[in-house]
Amino acid sequence: AQKVTQAQTEISVVEKEDVTLDCVYETRDTTYYLFWYKQPPSGELVFLIRRNSFDEQNEISGRYSWNFQKSTSSFNFTITASQVVDSAVYFCALSEAQTGANNLFFGTGTRLTVIP
Amino acid sequence: DARVTQTPRHKVTEMGQEVTMRCQPILGHNTVFWYRQTMMQGLELLAYFRNRAPLDDSGMPKDRFSAEMPDATLATLKIQPSEPRDSAVYFCASVNRGGTTDTQYFGPGTRLTVL
Repeated sequence: AQKVTQAQTEISVVEKEDVTLDCVYETRDTTYYLFWYKQPPSGELVFLIRRNSFDEQNEISGRYSWNFQKSTSSFNFTITASQVVDSAVYFCALSEAQTGANNLFFGTGTRLTVIP
Repeated sequence: DARVTQTPRHKVTEMGQEVTMRCQPILGHNTVFWYRQTMMQGLELLAYFRNRAPLDDSGMPKDRFSAEMPDATLATLKIQPSEPRDSAVYFCASVNRGGTTDTQYFGPGTRLTVL
């Protein structure tokens, strides 16, 4: 069975601090996709990144970086030099290719508050 | 900038009334999903369609919820009769399954309040 765990319910940091959001997943499929979405206070879900299970290369996009480790089934998300605009709920999600459906299984989200 | 659109953005209704939510997927996307977000359950899949055909609606209460896709540009989610426990944000997402990307793009959501 598939499962996504975001153990951190809420995190508060002071502006310009770095912060890492943890995501641990469970799946029996060998081919799967991992995602991060951002939900700002306005409520929409904004796509941030997608990784497939065969690509463990870490990725950096501006202040955002992602660390994918299959050995620990983790896909962690780091924001460097955090800003107030980063305040949001961040969701990690899993999609299993073998189901043919690619519907997303979401974690419970981590609420990040960046204090000015 | 292609986006998923949803209407209405907000809906307040009384228990027992019919509610219809609409979604316009990104042009060319052939798979549409309906999700519900509540504080208690988080984000959960209700139903999805591929090429307008329903593939899975196991997450949906069958007695009161129905989802349809009358054409490739419109998906609807209907609740009849509505109940207070249906209060939630309903998201539609679309994806170009089999295309160069399998990323789901979400609409802005419909915030439903049932009194």
